[in-house]
Amino acid sequence: KAGVTQTPRYLIKTRGQQVTLSCSPISGHRSVSWYQQTPGQGLQFLFEYFSETQRNKGNFPGRFSGRQFSNSRSEMNVSTLELGDSALYLCASSLEVQGSNTGELFFGEGSRLTVL
Amino acid sequence: QQQVKQSPQSLIVQKGGIPIINCAYENTAFDYFPWYQQFPGKGPALLIAIRPDVSEKKEGRFTISFNKSAKQFSLHIMDSQPGDSATYFCAASMWGQNFVFGPGTRLSVLP
Repeated sequence: KAGVTQTPRYLIKTRGQQVTLSCSPISGHRSVSWYQQTPGQGLQFLFEYFSETQRNKGNFPGRFSGRQFSNSRSEMNVSTLELGDSALYLCASSLEVQGSNTGELFFGEGSRLTVL
Repeated sequence: QQQVKQSPQSLIVQKGGIPIINCAYENTAFDYFPWYQQFPGKGPALLIAIRPDVSEKKEGRFTISFNKSAKQFSLHIMDSQPGDSATYFCAASMWGQNFVFGPGTRLSVLP
């Protein structure tokens, strides 16, 4: 069974640009969540999607947005990039059984964004 | 109230030692407490998890101790090996959602 796939793995942008990151969850997983990982802040929750609906949202500005498609693939977008957005962006998928989330997050290897 | 505190920030032990990483939370609504292990260049992977109705859980060399009244939980790694060198994150969640992660502990196990 293929794991969580994130693309691109590495990218470099300049301030003011925008970026779109993609995540393909494990087959059968309908919950996809996104995290920002930085050395000083650890893993910070961005948002979670389930069945194409945003179910939870973290404390990030509106420049950070996401969406989920009918095949459970998800994208996140960051507009008007700032230097502080440089981070590893991790996507995780999880399985829901009988309406209840099993709780185990399966992470991808991340997309490392550098903003110059 | 959503914060999870984790200590120490880094830890160095000799092979065979028993590193212990501690976490504390405030929100009593949390009902799931996992530990994730992350190697450089990889995403975190679930190591072991516990729910608040038990005080201890063992899986192989890894043990979680949970103290509900103190709102603390810890990870113990028995007979640690150089291959255990990684960053460890504790986390807490409600109903399998809204995960809050600790800041991480970088563990180095010396041969």
